[in-house]
Amino acid sequence: TAGITQAPTSQILAAGRSMTLRCTQDMRHNAMYWYRQDLGLGLRLIHYSNTAGTTGKGEVPDGYSVSRANTDDFPLTLASAVPSQTSVYFCASSGQGSGNEQFFGPGTRLTVL
Amino acid sequence: ILNVEQSPQSLHVQEGDSTNFTCSFPSSNFYALHWYRWETAKSPEALFVMTLNGDEKKKGRISATLNTKEGYSYLYIKGSQPEDSATYLCAFATGTYKYIFGTGTRLKVLA
Repeated sequence: TAGITQAPTSQILAAGRSMTLRCTQDMRHNAMYWYRQDLGLGLRLIHYSNTAGTTGKGEVPDGYSVSRANTDDFPLTLASAVPSQTSVYFCASSGQGSGNEQFFGPGTRLTVL
Repeated sequence: ILNVEQSPQSLHVQEGDSTNFTCSFPSSNFYALHWYRWETAKSPEALFVMTLNGDEKKKGRISATLNTKEGYSYLYIKGSQPEDSATYLCAFATGTYKYIFGTGTRLKVLA
């Protein structure tokens, strides 16, 4: 079982360009999340989705958008990248509610120049 | 602003030592507290999900306790082994699907 996959593994992006980070899970989890991980700050929630068709904002949503067209996929889009969006991005999924553990993808390392 | 604090930031112990870390979180509006283990070059993996005051969870040599009234959770490792070396994260659920992560405790077990 693949679990949760992310693509690309890493990317260098020019400032002002757009980029979509892909996330796919095969566990049929209702909930999915996007986090960014920055040195000294820990994981911070960008957006989440509790079910297909529904999304919500996390702690640091500005500059990012998400969609949830189906259960398995949860892409994260940067419409016009800025250097402060340089980070490692982790996608995660879980069963419904906060009582379920999250399963994390391998991460995407994004550098915006 | 909700804050989740973990202490210590880093820890070196000898193989065979027992150790513990602390996660402090707001004591109001508690939903859940998660513990994750994060090895270098890998992704975080769940250790425990704790939802009730007084919860005690155990997995092998690792255990955790929860006090929601005073806003803290302890993670214990008994007889540390080099393979226990990792960063241990706690995550406080601020709502059904929103989490605040601590910055972690980095453990190094010396053989």
